[in-house]
Amino acid sequence: AQRVTQPEKLLSVFKGAPVELKCNYSYSGSPELFWYVQYSRQRLQLLLRHISRESIKGFTADLNKGETSFHLKKPFAQEEDSAMYYCALVPSGTYKYIFGTGTRLKVLA
Amino acid sequence: DTEVTQTPKHLVMGMTNKKSLKCEQHMGHRAMYWYKQKAKKPPELMFVYSYEKLSINESVPSRFSPECPNSSLLNLHLHALQPEDSALYLCASSQNSGSYNSPLHFGNGTRLTVT
Repeated sequence: AQRVTQPEKLLSVFKGAPVELKCNYSYSGSPELFWYVQYSRQRLQLLLRHISRESIKGFTADLNKGETSFHLKKPFAQEEDSAMYYCALVPSGTYKYIFGTGTRLKVLA
Repeated sequence: DTEVTQTPKHLVMGMTNKKSLKCEQHMGHRAMYWYKQKAKKPPELMFVYSYEKLSINESVPSRFSPECPNSSLLNLHLHALQPEDSALYLCASSQNSGSYNSPLHFGNGTRLTVT
């Protein structure tokens, strides 16, 4: 069965420190993977997707098919990065977005 | 207009009531979704409409009845709900973009409380 695992419920880092939010997936085909973010009192929104290979707000994520991972990274955390982050997988040819349990990132001053 | 709009923002209903949640988007998206989110949990897919036809029903109880009157509107009709149905109900939309799934655009949600 398809599954997305985010092992950390809460990740606290100091401002300026590197950040890595882990995401592992279970899917036998070629997945489409996304990171979504929810800032306080805002709607859930797309942060980035693996096919774009772009950097958004300093965040990047690389799909590692060998390790079935799609970890989110940022070299220098900012306080405004504090939010809830969800990794999501979509099996090919479906609309079934499957969300991980989420990681709350707290960036401390 | 690049937003998904949901009404009402809050809804309190008794177990014998009938109510409806509404969702609207004017981005030309042809896929629309209902998700349920309990506190501190990820969104759980309930229904997907593609080109105004029900594409996915994730074995949702019949007390939840979706409707897609046209490409911009999505409703969720509620009847005889249980207290455990209290949750944040999220609507989302996405383009139908061929081989790759386009990202979801979420509304702010309706906070439902069943008493």
